[in-house]
Amino acid sequence: QVQLQQWGAGLLAPSETLSLTCAVYGGSFSGYYWSWIRQPPGKGLEWIGEINHSGKTNFNPSLKSRVTTSLDTSKNQFSLRLSAVTAADTAVYYCARDGGSGYYHAFQRWGQGTPVIVSS
Amino acid sequence: SYELTQPPSVSVSPGQTARITCSADALPKQYVHWYQQKPGQAPVLAIYKDSERPSGIPERFSGSRSGTIVTLTISGVQAEDEADYYCQSSDSSGTYVFGGGTKVTVL
Repeated sequence: QVQLQQWGAGLLAPSETLSLTCAVYGGSFSGYYWSWIRQPPGKGLEWIGEINHSGKTNFNPSLKSRVTTSLDTSKNQFSLRLSAVTAADTAVYYCARDGGSGYYHAFQRWGQGTPVIVSS
Repeated sequence: SYELTQPPSVSVSPGQTARITCSADALPKQYVHWYQQKPGQAPVLAIYKDSERPSGIPERFSGSRSGTIVTLTISGVQAEDEADYYCQSSDSSGTYVFGGGTKVTVL
């Protein structure tokens, strides 16, 4: 069964760049979309963006200008970078994989979450 | 922007039925999916494609759609079902959207 394990810096100062990586164990990149989703403290979920095995990306319009995603198939990892962070970017960040064909972009697998705090 | 609306909370006694709705002004043709999230944990896919149940999800979880309202039903609620539940869909541009979440309390 596919497992996602993520890591990255948990404390950032305003204006810095958030950087997170998610490793995929037990599966390949092909045929799936790999997403980042975040959850501010006490609030709901917000989709950030996705990348597929060929590098095609799609982003939430509200974050598009600050987000980049990439994947490293040799390491079975994909990454998120969010620039110019502010306190509003404080959240738990999750990596996730859709269910593939037939799942219509439902997020079937999730990482454990990485809490990120933006504070001066 | 496109929004999915859920009730903030639902309370139910053990063994009873909980129903959580998800609606939008114009629910898209895209399917709706449901997630269960317990405190301190990542969400878990509970229902996909409006009414399909992933392997490992108990049969008491079901989903349905009627017009612009999609409903997650938990039949015979158990204490372990106490959690936040989120619906999710996508708009015409391919942006994925979540509902605001519903806290289910088992009395």
